[in-house]
Parts: sequence; structure tokens; C-alpha cells
Amino acid sequence: DIQMTQSPSSLSASVGDRVTITCRASQGISNYLAWYQQKPGKVPKLLIYAASTLQSGVPSRFSGSGSGTDFTLTISSLQPEDVATYYCQKYNSAPSTFGQGTKLEIK
Amino acid sequence: EVQLLESGGGLVQPGGSLRLSCAGSGFIFSSYAMSWVRQAPGKGLEWVSIISGSGGSTYYADSVKGRLTISRDNSKNTLYLHMNSLGAEDTAVYYCAKGPVSGIYYLDYWGQGTLVTVSS
Repeated sequence: DIQMTQSPSSLSASVGDRVTITCRASQGISNYLAWYQQKPGKVPKLLIYAASTLQSGVPSRFSGSGSGTDFTLTISSLQPEDVATYYCQKYNSAPSTFGQGTKLEIK
Repeated sequence: EVQLLESGGGLVQPGGSLRLSCAGSGFIFSSYAMSWVRQAPGKGLEWVSIISGSGGSTYYADSVKGRLTISRDNSKNTLYLHMNSLGAEDTAVYYCAKGPVSGIYYLDYWGQGTLVTVSS
């Protein structure tokens, strides 16, 4: 099975900073990659699908890129409400594995 | 408005069984694949299983294969997860989630989750 590895596992940044989270697949998955945001105590929320397509209603400061095995989620200007854990998920085939998560905090 | 409402969670003894349900509304239930995702306390998301819109195709994570069974009743707009031979490692919040189409895809709507605790 394909493994999904995120880095870093945790991250602390200041409001206004540009933040990048990386997700690597152990085999190529084309662009079948989604990103989710889970705020503390809340349900996961879809941010991006097809590696770079922003889900409706998601702020434009979020963006995604990549194809094959290497993907990134970027927040162009970090806001306090972005404190959350972020997960990538592959969906080219079953199992639709999630990465282990990246916990983002405000410095 | 899409809504997913899970039920059936609770405390169960090791080796026991449980059936989770997820009632969908606000969309044509039979047209979409449905999934179960779980999250152990303080841990990350774990994909568990998916079923196609018709119910004809199912897939499972290796960790649950042979013990958990996904099914759906499209006449009742309800998704199920039949759980057998439960162990402590199955303790988690179980979310049902909807895909955007009938196949294996990302998850665009999630329920609020139901907690399953396996303990004696």
C-alpha cells in the first residue's frame, strides 16, 4: 500500500507568515490528493482536492500544488483562525490513506 | 443542505460487536460513495472503508478487514458499519463522510462523529 508522509509534524509560525506543509507519497498518485483542516474539537473540513483545486468557500490564502509523489499546502498569510491540524489524503485507489497530520500553532 | 448524522456508538466490551449508522439527507444518497473514517483519542485520521453508491463495491483498510463490514440501505438513505471482534485499538470517534461522486474520491462532507469505546 502507498504510504503518505507529512512534514513537519508540528509547526509554529507568526500571524502574517507564509506557511508550507509537505506531503509525500511512497508511489506516484498523479494529482489524486486532498487536504483537510481539523480545528481543535471540530470535524475535518475539505480544503483542497485534485492537489490544487480550492473547495468552495475556502479562503484564497490557502493553495495547493504538486503531482506524482510530492505535494505542498501553502497558507500565504497565516491568520489566527488557521490554528488546526492539517491532513493530506490520497484517493487514486483504496486504501485512501491519510498522512499523519501537521499541527499548526501561532507563535 | 447536506447533513450526515451518525449514531450507534457507545461502550462495548473487548470481543464484542456494534453497529454504527449514518443517516444522510439533502442529497441523492444513492448517487454517492460513502466512507467511514476514524480517529483514536489524540491521534490522526484513519481511513476505514468505502462503499460505492450502488453498494456493489466495498474496500477496507487492512487493520479492519474481516472484522468491520460496510453496507448501505439506499431506500433508507442510511450507511452502516457492522463491527465485530472489537479490540481496544478500535476505540475512536467514527465519522461517516460523503464523496463527490460514486467512486473512490475525496470527502466533501463529514458527519459529527460517534464515539466507540472498547473497554472492560
